Amino acid sequence: SQQGEEDPQALSIQEGENATMNCSYKTSINNLQWYRQNSGRGLVHLILIRSNEREKHSGRLRVTLDTSKKSSSLLITASRAADTASYFCATDPYGNKLVFGAGTILRVKS
Amino acid sequence: DVKVTQSSRYLVKRTGEKVFLECVQDMDHENMFWYRQDPGLGLRLIYFSYDVKMKEKGDIPEGYSVSREKKERFSLILESASTNQTSMYLCASSFSYNSPGGAYEQYFGPGTRLTVT
Repeated sequence: SQQGEEDPQALSIQEGENATMNCSYKTSINNLQWYRQNSGRGLVHLILIRSNEREKHSGRLRVTLDTSKKSSSLLITASRAADTASYFCATDPYGNKLVFGAGTILRVKS
Repeated sequence: DVKVTQSSRYLVKRTGEKVFLECVQDMDHENMFWYRQDPGLGLRLIYFSYDVKMKEKGDIPEGYSVSREKKERFSLILESASTNQTSMYLCASSFSYNSPGGAYEQYFGPGTRLTVT
């Protein structure tokens, strides 16, 4: 069962531009997490935002969470070619287990 | 650094073979997970283990079984491989649920790309 859905499915930008990805979910959560996956590899955890937080920063990443709209966004500022990857949001409606969305494919052109 | 390793990066098996995928983590995590990833479908949970010898079915357990005899090791077994089990298999581990903070972040292995012919 997919709880999170990312939007857009794919995004292509120039190096130096900002990239914004959105995630919507259906049920109440304790936290929402974002992960990155480089082609053919495992996922890497980027950032976690708790349900009582509205915004969180980590380096060039900015995550927002709106629990009233059940949505989150991930902003990558000043993107680099190395940011080319798939990005997934994940929520925890069932305790220990995470439910992942289908992901956004980001391509940063140099 | 947390390390999650998987026994193979690529595996090719024949229909009907029994297949073992092994996963080992070195962070003393209570939880371990097996996912499969297919294009356009994201990650789907096959099985979850929250302690030694304890397991819980995920969203798509049919055709799979698991074994967790030691805390650091979680095995996924395909009893009789079929072509529709051709996929990328990802193992992950995490600390146990911490209310009210919610689920901890998961650490993933590099994945095993399994092809069943």
